[in-house]
Amino acid sequence: DIQMTQSPSSLSASVGDRVTITCRASQSIASYLNWYQQKPGKAPKLLIYAVSSLQSGVPSRFRGSGSGPDFSLTINSLQPEDFATYYCQQSYSTPWTFGQGTKVEI
Amino acid sequence: EVQLLESGGGLVQPGGSLRLSCEASGFSVGSSAMSWVRQAPGKGLEWVSGFTTSTAGTYYADAVQGRFTISRDTSKNNLHLQMNSLRVEDTAVYFCAKGGGGGFASWGQGTLVTVAS
Repeated sequence: DIQMTQSPSSLSASVGDRVTITCRASQSIASYLNWYQQKPGKAPKLLIYAVSSLQSGVPSRFRGSGSGPDFSLTINSLQPEDFATYYCQQSYSTPWTFGQGTKVEI
Repeated sequence: EVQLLESGGGLVQPGGSLRLSCEASGFSVGSSAMSWVRQAPGKGLEWVSGFTTSTAGTYYADAVQGRFTISRDTSKNNLHLQMNSLRVEDTAVYFCAKGGGGGFASWGQGTLVTVAS
C-alpha cells in the first residue's frame, strides 16, 4: 500500500498568514494527488485534484504544487473559514490512501 | 446537482451485520466511480471500498476484505455496503463519495456505525 505522510500534524496561524502543508508519498503516484478540507461534523470537501487543479468554487488562495514524492498545499492569506483539518490523498492505485491530516488552528 | 444521502447506520454487536445505503441524485451511479470512506471517532479518513469505473471491478481495503461487500442498484440509483462480521474497530462515520482517480468531488453527510456490546 502507498503511505501518505503529512506534516505538520497541526499548526497555529493567524488570519492573513500564509500556511503550507506538505505530503510525502511512499512511492510514485504520478500526479494523482488530491487535497481535502474537513470541518468538525462535516463531510470532507475536495479542494485540489491532480496536484494543482482547483476544484470548481474553491477560492484561488488555495494552491497545490509539487511532484513525486513531495507535494504541498499552500493557503495564501488565511481566512477565518479556513480553520479546519486538511488531508492529502493519493488516487494512483487502490487502496486509495489518505494522509493523517493537518489541523490548522488559530 | 449531485446529492448523496447515506442511511442504515446504527448500533450493532461485534460479529453482527449491517447494510448501508447511499441514495444518489443528479447523476448515475452505474456510470460513475463510487466509494465508501470511513472516519473513526477523532481519527482521520480511511478509504474502505469502491468501484473505480462503470465497468471495472470492486476494490477493498485490507481491513475489510472478505467481510464487506460493495454493490450498486442502477434501477434505484443506490450504492450499498454490506458489512458482516463487524468488529469494534469498524466503529466510524461512513461516507459515500463520488469520484475516483480525480479525487472524491461529492460526499454524503455520513452515517454512524457503532459496534459495541
